[in-house]
Amino acid sequence: EAGVTQSPTHLIKTRGQQATLRCSPISGHTSVYWYQQALGLGLQFLLWYDEGEERNRGNFPPRFSGRQFPNYSSELNVNALELEDSALYLCASRRAGDSYNEQFFGPGTRLTVL
Amino acid sequence: GDSVTQMEGPVTLSEEAFLTINCTYTATGYPSLFWYVQYPGEGLQLLLKATKADDKGSNKGFEATYRKETTSFHLEKGSVQVSDSAVYFCALSAYSGGYQKVTFGTGTKLQVIP
Repeated sequence: EAGVTQSPTHLIKTRGQQATLRCSPISGHTSVYWYQQALGLGLQFLLWYDEGEERNRGNFPPRFSGRQFPNYSSELNVNALELEDSALYLCASRRAGDSYNEQFFGPGTRLTVL
Repeated sequence: GDSVTQMEGPVTLSEEAFLTINCTYTATGYPSLFWYVQYPGEGLQLLLKATKADDKGSNKGFEATYRKETTSFHLEKGSVQVSDSAVYFCALSAYSGGYQKVTFGTGTKLQVIP
């Protein structure tokens, strides 16, 4: 079974630009979660998508947005990039019907804002 | 709200030493508890889980017991190896605001020296 995949592996942008990060969940998983892991910090919850709908979002400004496609893959968009957006962005997926919310993580996208 | 508190790192141990990483939690209801591990440059992997009180999760020589009376889920390993060097995250999953939400601790970095 293929794991969660994310692309690109690394992304370098400059302040004010937009970044798009992609995530493909494990087959059969309908929920996708996005987290930000800044250097030296733990995981900060960003967004949760399930069955194509945004179900919950963390304490981040509206310039962090995303969507989930009919095949359950997901995009995270970050507009008007700021230096402090530099971080590892992790995507996780959850199996439909899993009542324990066990999440399976991808390898992450390292975003660097210059 | 729900919270997870982990011991601060880094923790440095010699090979074959005994490992304990403390984790305590605050949650309403009956959460599921998880330990995730993040090796350098990678995403998070589920290490072990426990879904009800007194359950013991175990994997790769690591184990943790769900202690409801002390709201703890401490991670232990009898003899660590250099390959165990990683960041360890304690997490809980519980219903909050109508959704099943995962809350992560800040992570504890473990360094094992030969």
